[in-house]
Amino acid sequence: GQNIDQPTEMTATEGAIVQINCTYQTSGFNGLFWYQQHAGEAPTFLSYNVLDGLEEKGRFSSFLSRSKGYSYLLLKELQMKDSASYLCAVSDSNYQLIWGAGTKLIIKP
Amino acid sequence: NAGVTQTPKFRVLKTGQSMTLLCAQDMNHEYMYWYRQDPGMGLRLIHYSVGEGTTAKGEVPDGYNVSRLKKQNFLLGLESAAPSQTSVYFCASSEREGSYNEQFFGPGTRLTVL
Repeated sequence: GQNIDQPTEMTATEGAIVQINCTYQTSGFNGLFWYQQHAGEAPTFLSYNVLDGLEEKGRFSSFLSRSKGYSYLLLKELQMKDSASYLCAVSDSNYQLIWGAGTKLIIKP
Repeated sequence: NAGVTQTPKFRVLKTGQSMTLLCAQDMNHEYMYWYRQDPGMGLRLIHYSVGEGTTAKGEVPDGYNVSRLKKQNFLLGLESAAPSQTSVYFCASSEREGSYNEQFFGPGTRLTVL
């Protein structure tokens, strides 16, 4: 079967750094996406990795290791507005997105 | 550009009633998707379309039907609603298939079936 695992909830302090992990087992791999979803809103695209390594985009970075079936999203200089759920999704052999349940990130002052 | 829009935003149905959810996109995207999102679970694909006039089943298609008569619109129908269909429904679209198929989401429809 296909499976995406990520922690259910994490708490971090404003101004700090947090790493959200995602492990996956899918039938094929055509890239990994991270989306941000604020409560009551739609998911919005954050990052895409298809090759091993780190992709940096401002305060957010995403890392991929295909051999380990592992990715992480790194958020630096946390702000209160970063309080949201972070969804990991893998594009499988049919280019369908398989979604994790999401990690709810709580930022405390 | 409005992006992806969905109507209605909220709806309450009684068991056995029917309804249609409308999704519209103005980005000229070929691909459109309907997902449901339930607490503690990832987004699950109900149906999708790879172009005007085409539809295909996703992971959880039972109890739903779809139509894509126009490229910009994707309709999701519930013929006889059941409490298990209480969920948040998201429509999404993407420009093309392939590795980088970033999906753009509508604001969602919150459906409660009593």
